Amino acid sequence: QSALTQPPSASGSPGQSVTISCTGTSSDVGSYNYVSWYQQHPGKAPKVMIHEVSKRPSGVPDRFSGSKSGNTASLTVSGLQAEDEADYYCSSYAGSNTLVFGGGTKLTVL
Amino acid sequence: QLQLQESGPGLVKPSETLSLTCTVSGGPISSSGYYWGWFRQPPGKGLEWIGSMYYNGISFYNPSLKSRVTISGDTSKNQFSLNLRSVTVADTAVFYCATQTIAPATFHYWGQGSLVTVSS
Repeated sequence: QSALTQPPSASGSPGQSVTISCTGTSSDVGSYNYVSWYQQHPGKAPKVMIHEVSKRPSGVPDRFSGSKSGNTASLTVSGLQAEDEADYYCSSYAGSNTLVFGGGTKLTVL
Repeated sequence: QLQLQESGPGLVKPSETLSLTCTVSGGPISSSGYYWGWFRQPPGKGLEWIGSMYYNGISFYNPSLKSRVTISGDTSKNQFSLNLRSVTVADTAVFYCATQTIAPATFHYWGQGSLVTVSS
């Protein structure tokens, strides 16, 4: 069970869109539609932004969207705002009641 | 709304056992279908899933930690616990407890986190 691969950093200016990728394998991302995305501000607990690839929990702005193609999932943040600056982690179900996380992406709003 | 709170020693010696407890309020840990999980985050690094306990008490573990981890629950106290044996300095991290209630493989409610340092 290897960690999912995310770019270490991403950035965009206010109002722009940014997409963060999350690459796994046919044993995790590629096999299940159970990819989640978490936002984490410094010193805070993670917060779910997307679950089941593309579903938004209540209260999450519709600027956040998720998708998946093959072994790669993506999180897109549209209309970037200053408060979107945070670390973002993807996770995937990996079978046999196990989870695997990505290494995280630091999103900077320029 | 579910609330979770981690508690336990902030300092553990190498080779000893790290023990943390997560106290749950707002609903029973025996709620059908719920998973109760432990996660860790070394300083400046990413999140790692340690393991989860299903509402019926059956636990599942990260293969990389399975030989050293036990997760168990106490329904009378509405708590679930983590034991990580034979710790080293590499186990220093913020430990989080969380619960999966709404969607598969997704943890919506999290504790605030507890820093555990492994040092002699």
